[in-house]
Amino acid sequence: GEDVEQSLFLSVREGDSSVINCTYTDSSSTYLYWYKQEPGAGLQLLTYIFSNMDMKQDQRLTVLLNKKDKHLSLRIADTQTGDSAIYFCAEVKVPSNTGKLIFGQGTTLQVKP
Amino acid sequence: SQTIHQWPATLVQPVGSPLSLECTVEGTSNPNLYWYRQAAGRGLQLLFYSVGIGQISSEVPQNLSASRPQDRQFILSSKKLLLSDSGFYLCAWSHDSVNTEAFFGQGTRLTVV
Repeated sequence: GEDVEQSLFLSVREGDSSVINCTYTDSSSTYLYWYKQEPGAGLQLLTYIFSNMDMKQDQRLTVLLNKKDKHLSLRIADTQTGDSAIYFCAEVKVPSNTGKLIFGQGTTLQVKP
Repeated sequence: SQTIHQWPATLVQPVGSPLSLECTVEGTSNPNLYWYRQAAGRGLQLLFYSVGIGQISSEVPQNLSASRPQDRQFILSSKKLLLSDSGFYLCAWSHDSVNTEAFFGQGTRLTVV
């Protein structure tokens, strides 16, 4: 199957850490992505991880991948009000000549001051 | 550098009217091109993708069609819009390579009334 699932909503206070979770069903080799969508805008790639990695860190962002459970998470340290947005996880299978991304439903992150 | 342009940003159309949304990519050649739709409060659904001029693949049966008359131009069309066609339409492109990160346009908000 090609299902990618996320929780729909997360609310945190400014300065706290946010953890957004995602599960996927296909165990074949794949890239997994995190995109951010601000209101009324397109999607911006935040980070990605290949399925032979367990963790990737980029400044305030940490991606953890549990291949056994097919679970992906995005941790945002010191969450700011500017981080309020919808966060999508997505996967693509390799080899792929189409580049089709399978998206989750998106998690709305609300950051309270 | 590569850029993607999508227009118009917003559109209000009556039921039964035609539709034409245009997307162009600059700074790259032979990109994979995609049209996604995001219904209110939902994730992204892939509508069409194209790996080359004149090559269009449809992911879901619907009232819309797509065309790729030039290498870096992707058009989403409809002869007669339905109320259910309302949504946020996103164009995207990616390289034809192993790491298929997708780059998104800013989106078109279509309201069918």
